[in-house]
Amino acid sequence: AIQMTQSPSSLSASVGDTVTITCRASQGMRTDLGWYQQKPGTAPRLLIYAASTLQSGVPSRFSGSGAVTQFTLTITNLQPEDFGTYYCLQDYDYPWTFGQGTKVEVK
Amino acid sequence: EVTLVESGGGLVKPGESLRLSCTGSGFTFSQYNINWVRQAPGKGLEWVSSISRRGTYTFYADSVKTRFSVSRDDARNSAHLQMDGLRVEDTAIYYCARDPEQCLDRICYSSFDYWGQGAEVTVSS
Repeated sequence: AIQMTQSPSSLSASVGDTVTITCRASQGMRTDLGWYQQKPGTAPRLLIYAASTLQSGVPSRFSGSGAVTQFTLTITNLQPEDFGTYYCLQDYDYPWTFGQGTKVEVK
Repeated sequence: EVTLVESGGGLVKPGESLRLSCTGSGFTFSQYNINWVRQAPGKGLEWVSSISRRGTYTFYADSVKTRFSVSRDDARNSAHLQMDGLRVEDTAIYYCARDPEQCLDRICYSSFDYWGQGAEVTVSS
């Protein structure tokens, strides 16, 4: 199975900052990767799919990049409502696998 | 409005079975792949299973593949996860999510664009 190593495990940033979260895949996988945001007590929300395609309705301050083994989620101009835990998910090869998650605190 | 609703969760003893259901509304259920994702208490997300449109293909995580079975009933806009031989480590919230399998430049990508609210499964003696 493809292992997804996500970093950092947590971060704290201020409103207006730019935040970067990284997922590294244990083997090459084109751009078959999505990013999800989860707030406590709620279901995850799709932000990005195909590594860089913004899901409809998601603010443009969220962006994704990368291919093969290295992927990045960037949040520019961080907003108070961006708190939560962010996960990457590879859908290149079964079994699909999530990263361990990155908890984002907005100061 | 697109909604997915999970049902069938509960408290069971190790070795027992449960059948979760996922019922969709507000969209054409048969046109979507359906996935199950779980989250153990205080832990991250774990993909569990996928079933393709028409039920042609099914896939499972290694941790459940000999014990869980996924199916769908498009006439009832529902998908099911049959969980047998439950273990304490299967304790989690189970979410279903739809996947439109969006295609870009002739490559199709999965994306879980709508999720249910989750069903709680507790396995304890």
